[in-house]
Amino acid sequence: DVKVTQSSRYLVKRTGEKVFLECVQDMDHENMFWYRQDPGLGLRLIYFSYDVKMKEKGDIPEGYSVSREKKERFSLILESASTNQTSMYLCASSLRVGHEQFFGPGTRLTVL
Amino acid sequence: SQQGEEDPQALSIQEGENATMNCSYKTSINNLQWYRQNSGRGLVHLILIRSNEREKHSGRLRVTLDTSKKSSSLLITASRAADTASYFCATDSNSGYALNFGKGTSLLVTP
Repeated sequence: DVKVTQSSRYLVKRTGEKVFLECVQDMDHENMFWYRQDPGLGLRLIYFSYDVKMKEKGDIPEGYSVSREKKERFSLILESASTNQTSMYLCASSLRVGHEQFFGPGTRLTVL
Repeated sequence: SQQGEEDPQALSIQEGENATMNCSYKTSINNLQWYRQNSGRGLVHLILIRSNEREKHSGRLRVTLDTSKKSSSLLITASRAADTASYFCATDSNSGYALNFGKGTSLLVTP
């Protein structure tokens, strides 16, 4: 059974901390994505990666960076967490572009 | 950027009834997908319909696509309490990699 896992379900951090969100997929997918989901705003794409060490900015990359050193792992980094980054973060992967995405369970991040 | 827009924002029905939700989008697409999200969880893919298809079925799900109107509908027949979730449509984007998700329809099915 295909699987996308995220390192934490819930995370509480303080303003200014560096935060790492990890995502791992076991499907050998080329493409991986990070979204944030906020009430009334739906899912918004932060970054995506179509290959190891390759990344592209999504709609809201400001305040975030990503790392893809291995095919199965895609990390989202908040360089200096701020309260407006309190959100649900969803990781996804897909085999082919524009096709079915498999999502992880999400990380609910609270920045105090 | 978000392209899909679901309608209605919220829908409340009783078990056994049919639920219909709609999605409109703005630019041409290669395919349109529907996803379900249970409260506080990740999204689960339901069905993909290609731009050259007009209708597709999967179990109790029926999806239609009208490219001339840039709209799609998702019909869930004989709904169950377990169908309570948010439903999102997603279209492929200009970049070819990412999907554009709508804001979702929140469905409540009461026993």
